[in-house]
Amino acid sequence: KQEVTQIPAALSVPEGENLVLNCSFTDSAIYNLQWFRQDPGKGLTSLLLIQSSQREQTSGRLNASLDKSSGRSTLYIAASQPGDSATYLCAVRPLSNFGNEKLTFGTGTRLTIIP
Amino acid sequence: DAGVTQSPTHLIKTRGQHVTLRCSPISGHKSVSWYQQVLGQGPQFIFQYYEKEERGRGNFPDRFSARQFPNYSSELNVNALLLGDSALYLCASSILQGSGNTIYFGEGSWLTVV
Repeated sequence: KQEVTQIPAALSVPEGENLVLNCSFTDSAIYNLQWFRQDPGKGLTSLLLIQSSQREQTSGRLNASLDKSSGRSTLYIAASQPGDSATYLCAVRPLSNFGNEKLTFGTGTRLTIIP
Repeated sequence: DAGVTQSPTHLIKTRGQHVTLRCSPISGHKSVSWYQQVLGQGPQFIFQYYEKEERGRGNFPDRFSARQFPNYSSELNVNALLLGDSALYLCASSILQGSGNTIYFGEGSWLTVV
C-alpha cells in the first residue's frame, strides 16, 4: 500500500529565505507526483507536476525535484514571501492505479513566512 | 476559463439525513474525481468517473455514491449521514484519463453533520 509522508508538519521561516519542503513515498512505482498548495479553508491549487521520467520541474520561484528510486521529492521555494504561507501537499499517482486517476496524498506541511 | 466549480460551498446537515454535492469540471475535462478531506489530514480518494463510467472507488462505505452526467458534471451523494462525515469534499477534474496530466481541484464543499 502506497504511503506518503511529509516532514515537518509545520515550518516557520523569515521572509526572504530559501526553503525546502520534503515528501517521501513508500512505493517507487508511480506515474507522477504533483505538488499542491492549500490556503486555510480553501481547495487545492496545483503548483507543479513531475512525470516519473522527469527529475525536476520549475515554475517561477518554485522548483520540484523527484528521485523515484529513493522515493523522495522536494519542493524548493526561493526568496520566500508572506503570501507563500499555506499548507503544501504532495500527491503521487501509483502505477497500480492504471485505469484510474486516484492520488495518494501526504498530510501536508503548514508553512508560515514571518514578515 | 472557469475552474472546477462546486456547490454548495457550505452546508449543515443532521445525522441520518442525506446530502448531494455538485461539481462542474473545467470545460473540456471528461474525468471527475471526488475526495474527502478531514481537518488536519490529506484528501482521501472516494470516486473517479470518466465518460460517465466509474473508474475507481476508494475505501468508503456504500452510503457514498456518485454519478456523472452527459455534460461531464457530477454529483456525490451521501446517505445516512454520520458525525464522522463532517469534512471538506473536493472535486477534481482532468482533461483525459490515463495521460498523466495535471489534476485540478475546486474550492470544495464544507459539510458539517450535527
